[in-house]
Amino acid sequence: EVQLVESGGGLVQPGGSLRLSCAGSGFSFSSYWIQWVRQAPGKGLMWVSRTNNDGSSTNYADSVKGRFTISRDNARNTLYMQMNSLRAEDTAVYYCASGPVVGAPEYWGQGTQVSVSS
Amino acid sequence: EIVLTQSPATLSLSPGEGVTLSCRASQSVSSYLGWYQQKPGQAPRLLIYDASKRATGIPARISGSGSGTDFTLTIGSLEPEDFALYYCQQRSNWPYTFGQGTKLEIK
Repeated sequence: EVQLVESGGGLVQPGGSLRLSCAGSGFSFSSYWIQWVRQAPGKGLMWVSRTNNDGSSTNYADSVKGRFTISRDNARNTLYMQMNSLRAEDTAVYYCASGPVVGAPEYWGQGTQVSVSS
Repeated sequence: EIVLTQSPATLSLSPGEGVTLSCRASQSVSSYLGWYQQKPGQAPRLLIYDASKRATGIPARISGSGSGTDFTLTIGSLEPEDFALYYCQQRSNWPYTFGQGTKLEIK
């Protein structure tokens, strides 16, 4: 069974940091691009960041560039996102997603909630 | 950034009816357009990728078409589980972008 399980979310003050993790199983984790997609409360979906199969290529949305860093550890089948200088507008459910078609992920986690508030 | 505009915002229909949802891109995305279904409290589910290819396990009553800037998602006969939010998404250019969504509700 394919699984992606996110963790690391929580409540943090503006300017603070969090590190999200996403553990994959049941598929060839190291073969596929993987990404973070977020959804603010009551809003639509936004692609945050992505990385290729070996982590050598990364892309970020302009709104998080310079503040968020995506990385992966294929030996542990785990994706990470280090989030620094968090802002209220980063409040969202963060999903990790992957699959064999680049940019059309078939596998999604259940999401982890990040809340930025004082 | 490519902007995707979905129409209509909301559709009220009955089970058994057919429906077509639309998605228009601000510039050509070739055939790199996908559709997702999302239910409250759940992650998105990939239905269609590359305009017309069904994802794993998606029934044949769900189909997609289009190319360039105009795309449609068609559900042939609505089942109760089809009432949800639908998003289109392009993977032609980074940043990948989603439309704002179409809510399919039960009349």
